[in-house]
Order: sequence, then structure tokens, then C-alpha cells
Amino acid sequence: QVLLVQSGGGVVQPGKSLVLSCAASGFMFSAYSMHWVRQAPGKGLEWVAVIWDDGSKKLYVDSVKGRFIISRDNSRNTLSLQLNSLRADDTAVYFCAKEFGGGFDLWGQGTKVSVSS
Amino acid sequence: QSALTQPASVSGSPGQSIAISCTGSNSDIGNYNYVSWYQQHPGKAPKVMIYAVSNRPSGVSNRFSGSKSGNTASLTISGLQAEDEGDYYCTSYTNNNTWVFGGGTRLTVL
Repeated sequence: QVLLVQSGGGVVQPGKSLVLSCAASGFMFSAYSMHWVRQAPGKGLEWVAVIWDDGSKKLYVDSVKGRFIISRDNSRNTLSLQLNSLRADDTAVYFCAKEFGGGFDLWGQGTKVSVSS
Repeated sequence: QSALTQPASVSGSPGQSIAISCTGSNSDIGNYNYVSWYQQHPGKAPKVMIYAVSNRPSGVSNRFSGSKSGNTASLTISGLQAEDEGDYYCTSYTNNNTWVFGGGTRLTVL
């Protein structure tokens, strides 16, 4: 079965860190670029980051540059997002997504991150 | 990178056709054929409906179609059904090697 299963997330204080994980199954994970997309409460989707299939290139939306780190382990079919120096406006549901044809054809179930003191 | 522009809401009656526009710039929609469309229901992950401007994934109804002209892409839904109600988002690849989403459109089936 083709799946992305997410874990991590939770409530964290401003300035702290958190790691989100995304486990892939049912497809050749190492052949695809992978993304993170987030959605703040009651708001639209926002693209966050991408990592190339071989991990050679990583790109971020300006608002998370220098704070978030995207990584992958192709031997374990796992994608990660390390969230550092968290701010209140990082509060959102975070989705991992597989890229295909310039879009995102497979999504994780989403994991909630709440930044609050 | 500024968000792509979508109408906040559209509506139509069952059986009718509607179109949702998505306007960008020469830095995204106008320069690449990597526009995709997503349907999202409350509390659920988005689902791709169209990718690469006009390609429909297997399993998506042929009532959904996509097109592009200049800096504007469009999603057309024909033969509206109650199950089509939800939020729709467009996205495009950009010349910064990043992606940008539209603000989203709420579709109401009357």
C-alpha cells in the first residue's frame, strides 16, 4: 500500500525545537523529491520545504530559512523536518508530500504543531 | 514569493459547471507548466485533482479539467455534484526552485 505516515508534533514553547517524521511505504522513496507543506488554523496551504531525491538540494520558504532543516534517510524510507527557534506563527498542521509531475500526488495524514507558552 | 491569487469563494448548482481561476506571474505560472490543483475537505489531507496544468491522476473524475493561459491557470468542474464541495488550492513551481500556493477557494454546491 502506498502510504506516508507521519509522527511527531505536539505542543512546544516558543524558542524550542521539535522534529517531525514521515515514513514512506509502497513506492521507491529514493526516486522522488519530498516536500513539507503546512496549514495554520483556519488558513490556506503554505509550501515549506523540498529535498531532492538524493538529498543533494534543500530549499525553504523564506519564513523558515535558517530555522527549519529538512532531511531524509533513503535507507529507511524516512523524511524529517527539524523545527528550531519555533514561533507562534509556526503553529500549524504539517503535511509531508511526495512530488510527481511538479505537484504533490501523495500526502501524509498531517501532524499538528502548537507553539505556545 | 507572493501567494497566487484565487477567488475566495465560488458556488454552483448540481449539474452546472464552474471555473476557479489562479493568477500568478511570469515568475511562476507564466513560466512553467507545473501548475497543480488540490481538493481539501475539513480535517483531511489535500488530494491532487490536476497536475502539470491539465493532467488528471488515475481515479479522478473526468469532470475535472485544468488549463492555463499566460499567468492564469483555471480548474473547471463540470456536472457539479454535492461531493465536490470543499476547498480548492492551486500551486505552481517558481523560478526560485520553490513552490507557491494560492490562497484557496471555497466551493459551495447549492
